[in-house]
Amino acid sequence: DTEVTQTPKHLVMGMTNKKSLKCEQHMGHRAMYWYKQKAKKPPELMFVYSYEKLSINESVPSRFSPECPNSSLLNLHLHALQPEDSALYLCASSPTPLGGGETQYFGPGTRLLVL
Amino acid sequence: GQNIDQPTEMTATEGAIVQINCTYQTSGFNGLFWYQQHAGEAPTFLSYNVLDGLEEKGRFSSFLSRSKGYSYLLLKELQMKDSASYLCAVMDSNYQLIWGAGTKLIIKP
Repeated sequence: DTEVTQTPKHLVMGMTNKKSLKCEQHMGHRAMYWYKQKAKKPPELMFVYSYEKLSINESVPSRFSPECPNSSLLNLHLHALQPEDSALYLCASSPTPLGGGETQYFGPGTRLLVL
Repeated sequence: GQNIDQPTEMTATEGAIVQINCTYQTSGFNGLFWYQQHAGEAPTFLSYNVLDGLEEKGRFSSFLSRSKGYSYLLLKELQMKDSASYLCAVMDSNYQLIWGAGTKLIIKP
């Protein structure tokens, strides 16, 4: 199994809703990432988990709350989002967090629309 | 500051060859990646260079010159399915990926 899976593929939510994005990998990777990507822009790093611990938070607003229940799963909990948070949310994983040159493998993404 | 530059858009003809350049200035260097991204889809890994020289992988090749802060992605025998954005990304001294804005490649018949 050499893929990263994400659910749901599409999500529409109101500004008062609470929803969660899910990411899963079974490659034994010990680093997992959340990125946000707006149209025609490169991915922006949000969070990095290393060995199931949050190691990097790129000053992301608290309405985004990550969670890593185990080494294969990564969640992103969403609450009270704003319309400008509409974007493609990408999950990625790599074998080790600080291995140097470790390729990040991306999931298909969740396209989020906040109304 | 950290900066990665690549052309915004390029056009090429089916069956031809195209070279997409990337120049970078980053705090440290732990390798350079090229990713392909079709519209609305996730980036997919194409190549990784950490030493100077050319890495060839089928129709795609990637070159790196660390002293010049320069890389290129060479695509041969272009196919219509190669129409996509190509993202250059450098892993800095903190092992974080610094992304270029991407080059949109348009292939014409």
